[in-house]
Amino acid sequence: SQQGEEDPQALSIQEGENATMNCSYKTSINNLQWYRQNSGRGLVHLILIRSNEREKHSGRLRVTLDTSKKSSSLLITASRAADTASYFCATDATGTYKYIFGTGTRLKVLA
Amino acid sequence: GAGVSQSPSNKVTEKGKDVELRCDPISGHTALYWYRQRLGQGLEFLIYFQGNSAPDKSGLPSDRFSAERTGESVSTLTIQRTQQEDSAVYLCASSTTSWGYTFGSGTRLTVV
Repeated sequence: SQQGEEDPQALSIQEGENATMNCSYKTSINNLQWYRQNSGRGLVHLILIRSNEREKHSGRLRVTLDTSKKSSSLLITASRAADTASYFCATDATGTYKYIFGTGTRLKVLA
Repeated sequence: GAGVSQSPSNKVTEKGKDVELRCDPISGHTALYWYRQRLGQGLEFLIYFQGNSAPDKSGLPSDRFSAERTGESVSTLTIQRTQQEDSAVYLCASSTTSWGYTFGSGTRLTVV
């Protein structure tokens, strides 16, 4: 079964707006990561947040983690057309070393 | 190499044939993962190699799927007697820790 589930499944916004994607997971984790995928091929690692962290920033990205709710959010500020992609969260359950990916959010940024 | 290399980039095969997919991880990366991604879907974990430890094969969908890795180098994923539902992009990733994978560009497998 899927460890992570993102919502919304699809999101369409105007350039310059902020985009927020959410991820929920089922078990205790060590880390949570967010990835971006363009054109259905290789994924690019965006950011990792550890289970003892609550918020992390990287450029226009802000990730939050709420372990009590088993959820995370990815915020992209001042979105650009180039941000159009699918975004996945991935978690590694405590005691394991493999990441399970969610179903992804397809983001479309309109110029 | 500088990144994770997968070959072939695209593979079209007839139903019932065997296929072999190759992954060259980043040199020094001890962990290697295979994932499958069907069209419009998320990534499905297949198998994980860590150094010389026994691989975690818990994600392999059937006994038609197998994978090998020689030490900390190349890995091959073999699918025997391919079926149409095997059509997907097969992604390989490597890492040194759990602090972020580096993915290859994938192999797009089409079974006709």
